[in-house]
Amino acid sequence: QSVVTQPPSVSGAPGQTITISCTGSSSNFGANYGVHWYQQLPGTAPKVVMYGNDIRPSGVTDRFFGSKSGTSASLVITGLQAEDEADYYCQTYDIRLRGWVFGGGTKLTVL
Amino acid sequence: QITLKESGPALVKPTQTLTLTCTFSGFSLTTYGAGVGWIRQPPGKALEWLALVFWSDDKRYSPSLKNRLTITKDTSKNQVVLTMTNMDPVDTATYYCAHRRGDSSTGGHFNYWGQGTLVTVSS
Repeated sequence: QSVVTQPPSVSGAPGQTITISCTGSSSNFGANYGVHWYQQLPGTAPKVVMYGNDIRPSGVTDRFFGSKSGTSASLVITGLQAEDEADYYCQTYDIRLRGWVFGGGTKLTVL
Repeated sequence: QITLKESGPALVKPTQTLTLTCTFSGFSLTTYGAGVGWIRQPPGKALEWLALVFWSDDKRYSPSLKNRLTITKDTSKNQVVLTMTNMDPVDTATYYCAHRRGDSSTGGHFNYWGQGTLVTVSS
């Protein structure tokens, strides 16, 4: 079981807004470590779509928004498009484990 | 432009030792703050961080696997090598190396990834 937890799946229709949650603890988010989000399309390597809680890398669509509050974080995708269908992983650093941790991943389905 | 590429055997037998090499370009592992990590992903499962080496030669390992892992760097060749001993079928996974972006020896994220290499453990 992962140190940070995500829902296994979320879905939404084209044009809708969805939220993917990521729940941590006092030894990661609560210790002021940031959350980072990766998108993984089938058969490809993960790609960072949000880092430092709410910073979009160059080239990532502005339909993606990130936030963190306390021991929870969220990735919000607005104006859902078919190309957003992918697996999404949150990642942070855990001071108790002294290492980097990933969430269990959330499969986004665009209906 | 940063690139990374993993290489190693596609098939290993149970109990054998796996050796994977990450060859990178576009940055130097002698630069303050630089780090290269290994992450794996069993088929259909989640990502799992394994190990990371910093520019300073500081090394970090996943607590659950640290007894089986060794990570080393060769700055002259721009390579990072991961060895994993006593391989088991449950270690079947795609293994990725990735560049860590961060300002200190903790935290940060992986902003560039290799394409990954699938390693199957089977007799």
